Amino acid sequence: EAQVTQNPRYLITVTGKKLTVTCSQNMNHEYMSWYRQDPGLGLRQIYYSMNVEVTDKGDVPEGYKVSRKEKRNFPLILESPSPNQTSLYFCASSFAPSGEYEQYFGPGTRLTVT
Amino acid sequence: AQSVTQLDSHVSVSEGTPVLLRCNYSSSYSPSLFWYVQHPNKGLQLLLKYTSAATLVKGINGFEAEFKKSETSFHLTKPSAHMSDAAEYFCVVSVKTGANNLFFGTGTRLTVIP
Repeated sequence: EAQVTQNPRYLITVTGKKLTVTCSQNMNHEYMSWYRQDPGLGLRQIYYSMNVEVTDKGDVPEGYKVSRKEKRNFPLILESPSPNQTSLYFCASSFAPSGEYEQYFGPGTRLTVT
Repeated sequence: AQSVTQLDSHVSVSEGTPVLLRCNYSSSYSPSLFWYVQHPNKGLQLLLKYTSAATLVKGINGFEAEFKKSETSFHLTKPSAHMSDAAEYFCVVSVKTGANNLFFGTGTRLTVIP
């Protein structure tokens, strides 16, 4: 089954404790991205990756890091989480960034930083 | 510049009555347009997309949308609402240039009253 998986689905942590949210896709997609969803703001892109070892900032990259060492995986790293990073996070992938292609979304990770 | 405006943050309809979710877009290029649906505690799922072919687009679960260039609109409709349609709906505009090219509306929450 074609899918994007994320782990963990729920995470409660404390300020400053490094964490990683994993994302994996089994569709051989080149393009992957991370979004955060906040009430009234829709989805905002954090980082994206055009291919292995190619990443770039989205609209709200501050406080986040990513890596793309393998095509299927695109982890999101919070080196020192802060309460304003409490949000719902989605990983997505597609064949290409071109506007015609559907984005496939993971189920989401709800992060709470206290 | 690209942007999306979903004109209603919340729409409430009775079961069996028509659904209309409104979306206006702004784009400097010929856009692709998408509607995604998000059910509670789920990721986003593609409902339908417009990519410069037929202006009336049919999607899953009886939804359809019409691209109206003169009005810069892409409203989502369904003739008869079902309880299972209760969810949040996102209008998305995408352009074919650049990698960071998806722009999300802020979402419309659809409530279906039995």
